Amino acid sequence: QVQPQQWGAGLLKPSETLSLTCAVQGESFSGYYWSWIRQAPGKGLEWIGEIIHSGGTSQNPSLKSRVTISVDTSKNQFSLKLSSVTAADTAVYYCARHQSGHNTFDIWGQGTMVTVSS
Amino acid sequence: QSALTQPASVSGSPGQSITISCTGTSSDVGGYNYVSWYQQHPGKAPTLMIYDVNNRPSGVSYRFSGSKSGNTASLTISGLQAEDEADYYCSSYTSSSTPLYVFGTGTKVTVL
Repeated sequence: QVQPQQWGAGLLKPSETLSLTCAVQGESFSGYYWSWIRQAPGKGLEWIGEIIHSGGTSQNPSLKSRVTISVDTSKNQFSLKLSSVTAADTAVYYCARHQSGHNTFDIWGQGTMVTVSS
Repeated sequence: QSALTQPASVSGSPGQSITISCTGTSSDVGGYNYVSWYQQHPGKAPTLMIYDVNNRPSGVSYRFSGSKSGNTASLTISGLQAEDEADYYCSSYTSSSTPLYVFGTGTKVTVL
């Protein structure tokens, strides 16, 4: 089974930019939408946004002004940047594959804990 | 876009059946058959258990089943087992506006 691998800085100061990358092996990358989803400590899941290999994106309006999602098809990777972070952005961030025909997230990365603290 | 509403906790004894509800609106749960359910054990990533209201991915136990009536979807776990103790989240596609996908508030299932 496909297992996305994600990585990025885990500790940020307020106002810095969060940067995470998710890599997907082989042919499982093209043809799918790939999302970022986060979960604050003890809280529920929040969809951040998604991208397809052609570069088309959608974002959650509540975060859109601070979110950039990009793709590197040569490496089968996609990335998330979230600018001007605050303590409210402290969360586990997941990358996940979106099955567009079923509007479901069928494969998830292992998650990256990001803490924003001065 | 508000989160879908789930009960905070549900409990049951081994072998029993439990049902978790997920209430939305006609713009999400009620409007589309795109309800999914995810299981999350502590410290782990969510795992897809049900998609399209009542379909199980390969490898998911038949003990998990889904349904929907109006704006409320439900996940039923039959023959409850200790390993089913986890958090469960529903999600739905929404047409009200982006975000395109909304999640439920989450339900902690406890096996007594």
